[in-house]
Amino acid sequence: DAGVIQSPRHEVTEMGQEVTLRCKPISGHNSLFWYRQTMMRGLELLIYFNNNVPIDDSGMPEDRFSAKMPNASFSTLKIQPSEPRDSAVYFCASSAGGYTEAFFGQGTRLTVV
Amino acid sequence: AQSVTQLDSQVPVFEEAPVELRCNYSSSVSVYLFWYVQYPNQGLQLLLKYLSGSTLVESINGFEAEFNKSQTSFHLRKPSVHISDTAEYFCAVSDGGSYIPTFGRGTSLIVHP
Repeated sequence: DAGVIQSPRHEVTEMGQEVTLRCKPISGHNSLFWYRQTMMRGLELLIYFNNNVPIDDSGMPEDRFSAKMPNASFSTLKIQPSEPRDSAVYFCASSAGGYTEAFFGQGTRLTVV
Repeated sequence: AQSVTQLDSQVPVFEEAPVELRCNYSSSVSVYLFWYVQYPNQGLQLLLKYLSGSTLVESINGFEAEFNKSQTSFHLRKPSVHISDTAEYFCAVSDGGSYIPTFGRGTSLIVHP
């Protein structure tokens, strides 16, 4: 398996624009996580899906953020409208569920100017 | 909810010296513990994990960690570090309730020649 695949690797956008980050989890994994990494706050969980259903979205900053998982092999994280404070590295991770470890993608570095 | 404390944000050390990176977590009945490593511009990779059984776990590249239930700790150690060990190290905990990994703030290990 190619691992967790995220796209794009880098995204530079202007404030107010819509941004969509994409993730393909490892085949057979039923848990998917979106994390955000910044120097100030470290690694924060944004949302957790299990079997394509959002289980915990308490980490989503505000209504500007939304995440979907239409099927077991694809998830998106959308920010609309984007703001400079959204600049961060966004990671997608998947696991086989339960106490198994999470496998991370390479991340998307988002810069909002 | 679990919380994870990595007491040192940065640990400088000379090559071939021993190192210990500290990790403490909030108590829980059953926990699963992980150490991840992150190299620059990459995602997190699993280094080692404790699920059950022997409290001392080892990785393939010489790191080891010991689960101490009474002290709620899972410190990472290596008897002799290499330049290539320079990276960010993250401790993570999930419990039997949510199975959502909670990460510490990370410790930057800097190995000097």
